[in-house]
Amino acid sequence: SQQGEEDPQALSIQEGENATMNCSYKTSINNLQWYRQNSGRGLVHLILIRSNEREKHSGRLRVTLDTSKKSSSLLITASRAADTASYFCSDGRGNPGGSYIPTFGRGTSLIVHP
Amino acid sequence: NAGVTQTPKFQVLKTGQSMTLQCAQDMNHNSMYWYRQDPGMGLRLIYYSASEGTTDKGEVPNGYNVSRLNKREFSLRLESAAPSQTSVYFCASSERTVTQPQHFGDGTRLSIL
Repeated sequence: SQQGEEDPQALSIQEGENATMNCSYKTSINNLQWYRQNSGRGLVHLILIRSNEREKHSGRLRVTLDTSKKSSSLLITASRAADTASYFCSDGRGNPGGSYIPTFGRGTSLIVHP
Repeated sequence: NAGVTQTPKFQVLKTGQSMTLQCAQDMNHNSMYWYRQDPGMGLRLIYYSASEGTTDKGEVPNGYNVSRLNKREFSLRLESAAPSQTSVYFCASSERTVTQPQHFGDGTRLSIL
């Protein structure tokens, strides 16, 4: 079943503006990851935040995690047209065998207008 | 580095035909996965292989079989294709630990008429 759910489903902004996407999940997680998918391509990993972390930065990306609310947010600052893509969150739940079984939300479609 | 390679990139089948989607990774990853992506549904896990020699069902395994041929290769087979299996199929791989990200191929676009 879907674990992470992104909000909003679609976001349209102008170049230079900030874009914020949210992800909610239902059960306890080990970590939460964000991915980007350009049209016609596979997903590309952006950033991972562990359950004991509250905030993480990578370049123009800022991810926060609130385990009490079971939610995470991805902020893209000073957006560029090249940021146009779909963004997905994925939880990280380990199973007893030690493998990593992720589930993905439906994604946020971001359009950045030049 | 090629990363994760999927073949073919596109395929059209008739209902009832069989087909195998191929996936290979060159990152020495232990775990491999097959997903399908449908509009408005996100990615759904079909099968995964935690390590060479093991396979397990994911969220939507019905109508599919998999083979972990060796550490590098993980194939997905449709024995009798149905129109409901029209989708984009993604293969991914990752290290065995729970803190490692997944690496994805660029997908196989499969249409079943």
